[in-house]
Amino acid sequence: DQQVKQNSPSLSVQEGRISILNCDYTNSMFDYFLWYKKYPAEGPTFLISISSIKDKNEDGRFTVFLNKSAKHLSLHIVPSQPGDSAVYFCAAVDSSYKLIFGSGTRLLVRP
Amino acid sequence: DAGVIQSPRHEVTEMGQEVTLRCKPISGHNSLFWYRQTMMRGLELLIYFNNNVPIDDSGMPEDRFSAKMPNASFSTLKIQPSEPRDSAVYFCASRQTSTGELFFGEGSRLTVL
Repeated sequence: DQQVKQNSPSLSVQEGRISILNCDYTNSMFDYFLWYKKYPAEGPTFLISISSIKDKNEDGRFTVFLNKSAKHLSLHIVPSQPGDSAVYFCAAVDSSYKLIFGSGTRLLVRP
Repeated sequence: DAGVIQSPRHEVTEMGQEVTLRCKPISGHNSLFWYRQTMMRGLELLIYFNNNVPIDDSGMPEDRFSAKMPNASFSTLKIQPSEPRDSAVYFCASRQTSTGELFFGEGSRLTVL
């Protein structure tokens, strides 16, 4: 059973609009979460993270929100740009410091 | 720094053959991970080493899979015998500390015919 779930396999948004990628987790012991971005034929690269003691972390156009009671986090990209088109993976760090990834969401930003 | 280096980038083999994937982590990093990416399951953790010692191999699918880390600068993932369902992209990643950022290699795309 997957502990980190990304239920939307794909998302398409217009350039300049907001992209919202969602992630749910099942283990309430997770205390650190990350988003990774992956372009074709490349390895995933770190984008932004959030600790469970916070409910929001912002870095430029990227903001991650954490709702611990709902076991839900989301990544907001605003404004979205065509170069943001990629697969986005949500990940959680467990008690043994392993990163457990979701299945990814493919974002397409249309010009 | 050259980053995490994986080889081969692409491997096509026939069912039943042995496959060996290689990884050189970033110098100074003490944790190394092997992940497998598939359409259905995304990035699955196969095995995790800390200071060259396997910490968690619960994600290794079956006995056909084995991984070693003989020293801090090299790791292998071996599949023997390979099967078509092993076809996937295999990623190696390393990090410096237990809470540090994970750096990924470019992946090894395996196709088993």
